[in-house]
Amino acid sequence: GEDVEQSLFLSVREGDSSVINCTYTDSSSTYLYWYKQEPGAGLQLLTYIFSNMDMKQDQRLTVLLNKKDKHLSLRIADTQTGDSAIYFCAESITTDSWGKLQFGAGTQVVVTP
Amino acid sequence: NAGVTQTPKFQVLKTGQSMTLQCAQDMNHNSMYWYRQDPGMGLRLIYYSASEGTTDKGEVPNGYNVSRLNKREFSLRLESAAPSQTSVYFCASNSDIVLYTEAFFGQGTRLTVV
Repeated sequence: GEDVEQSLFLSVREGDSSVINCTYTDSSSTYLYWYKQEPGAGLQLLTYIFSNMDMKQDQRLTVLLNKKDKHLSLRIADTQTGDSAIYFCAESITTDSWGKLQFGAGTQVVVTP
Repeated sequence: NAGVTQTPKFQVLKTGQSMTLQCAQDMNHNSMYWYRQDPGMGLRLIYYSASEGTTDKGEVPNGYNVSRLNKREFSLRLESAAPSQTSVYFCASNSDIVLYTEAFFGQGTRLTVV
């Protein structure tokens, strides 16, 4: 399958902005996603962006998509300790089954007081 | 509303033993999926089922079998467990009938094969 790559670790101070980056290789991806996984829990969809969009904002979350460079980023404003988690970037593999996703390895975000 | 429920939450198996991981969803979704999560590798698709009575292989199907028992339930079976199958297994579901719906994930089953 196609590869989705993310940096593995990010440390950020409480109150600062976090930016998590992701690169993908399948230019035909229709949707790109950010999932959050807290310790011992399943995956929670944070936000997604359709491939014909450049940006999507949802409260403290901003997603930027650069299709030319196949680069996706998630910015979390005013990062809180509750934002400490693993964040997965994912892309849809096909359009006939929206749950078939290609995931990155995940970025561990640690928020320090 | 339970969403996607997986049982068991934890399991330790000896090499060569068999077991079935259970998954049930109460959202009337037609599509269901099994993923495995390994450190440093993200989640990889094992099998999926687009509707009751149909199943298809994903990226890493070897060593697994699945059954879509009915619309609610999708089970994953390990016939002869191997240490390489030590992983966290996630079940997910969504509705593919409408244009787009998100995939909902269960809490995971942490499996250790010794």
